[in-house]
Amino acid sequence: EPEVTQTPSHQVTQMGQEVILRCVPISNHLYFYWYRQILGQKVEFLVSFYNNEISEKSEIFDDQFSVERPDGSNFTLKIRSTKLEDSAMYFCASALGGVGDTQYFGPGTRLTVL
Amino acid sequence: GNSVTQMEGPVTLSEEAFLTINCTYTATGYPSLFWYVQYPGEGLQLLLKATKADDKGSNKGFEATYRKETTSFHLEKGSVQVSDSAVYFCALRTQGGSEKLVFGKGTKLTVNP
Repeated sequence: EPEVTQTPSHQVTQMGQEVILRCVPISNHLYFYWYRQILGQKVEFLVSFYNNEISEKSEIFDDQFSVERPDGSNFTLKIRSTKLEDSAMYFCASALGGVGDTQYFGPGTRLTVL
Repeated sequence: GNSVTQMEGPVTLSEEAFLTINCTYTATGYPSLFWYVQYPGEGLQLLLKATKADDKGSNKGFEATYRKETTSFHLEKGSVQVSDSAVYFCALRTQGGSEKLVFGKGTKLTVNP
């Protein structure tokens, strides 16, 4: 069964460094998402992406964050200058359609900012 | 704003016990409601969903009924198995064209043999 994959499973970085989290969505899916979960807190929506554009973003998704689909298979989340509070589990998801369609999630990347 | 509250875990049960994980929501209009499950080392998987009041979602022996009068969507299973050990997330998606899911904190379930 097709699945969403994410790399790396765990990323450790120093405060102020740039990180890129990578996701490979299910191959025929058209809608892509990032969510995050800070330890002990809720899973929070960050951004949705369709047709090479951001379709929706939360207030968390500020200028430090960006997303890209660089090559038609990967979907990346970049954090330009990491802060301690960016430490979280980051989940990628994809869906075939938009509103109303099931979102399929990857296993997550745990980001630790020191 | 829109939010989901689910019972705090962890929940520990013996095999064949009855499971209830409570979930209540706050939302305008008529959201769609979901339960996702995350097994160790895996991503969140859709377990079941309901899109309108009084709908019952069911899958793998789990059930949840969309109760608008109590704004609830409690997850139940009559007889849990060790393989049901996982983290369970309640979530909603609002009307109006937004794709984003709003999640609860998750409830960790451990089933002992």
